[in-house]
Amino acid sequence: EVQLLESGGGLVKPGGSLRLSCAASGFNFITYSMTWVRQAPGKGLEWVSFISSRSTQIYYADSVKGRFTISRDNAKNSLYLQMNSLRAEDTAVYYCARGHCTGGTCYSGVDYWGQGTLVTVSS
Amino acid sequence: SYELTQPPSVSVSPGQTARITCSGDALPRQYGYWYQQKPGQAPVLVIYKNSERPSGIPERFSGSSSGTTVTLTISGVQAEDEADYYCQSADGSGSWVFGGGTSLTVL
Repeated sequence: EVQLLESGGGLVKPGGSLRLSCAASGFNFITYSMTWVRQAPGKGLEWVSFISSRSTQIYYADSVKGRFTISRDNAKNSLYLQMNSLRAEDTAVYYCARGHCTGGTCYSGVDYWGQGTLVTVSS
Repeated sequence: SYELTQPPSVSVSPGQTARITCSGDALPRQYGYWYQQKPGQAPVLVIYKNSERPSGIPERFSGSSSGTTVTLTISGVQAEDEADYYCQSADGSGSWVFGGGTSLTVL
């Protein structure tokens, strides 16, 4: 069974930093791309960042570029999101999601989601 | 920046057919994905690559594509289908995008 468990959320002051983690299990992590998606309270889904299976391709939404860094440790089956210079508008539930990959090809979508971790940026 | 456009809301009676559209300039070249999200829960994939249905998703969910529009169709809508639905795709240069979401109400 595919499982994605996010952690690291919490309350942080504007300008502060936070590091989110996502522990993956139930699948061969090294063969899948991974993505972070966030959802502000009462709002829709917003794509945040993408990382390919071996970290050769990394992309960010314009809203977080230069402030957030995505990374992964395939030996630990883990995905990370380092968030710096946090703003009030970064307040959201952050979801870790597995890329949709079949037959060695990864597509621009996801097939499994974690339950999310809440990040609140407030003074 | 690239955008996907969905109607904010769709309402149908039980047993009827619900259609939710998603429009975007890159959809002729990029696959569309559909996710269902119920209150307080994480999203669930219901359609991938425009029209493929994951295992475990009921057959009443289907997807189609025509030009710059992808469509999620739910045939014989049931009360349990009431949820928010999001389309998602990519712009071809690495960025992904979600539509604004459609709230499906089962009357």
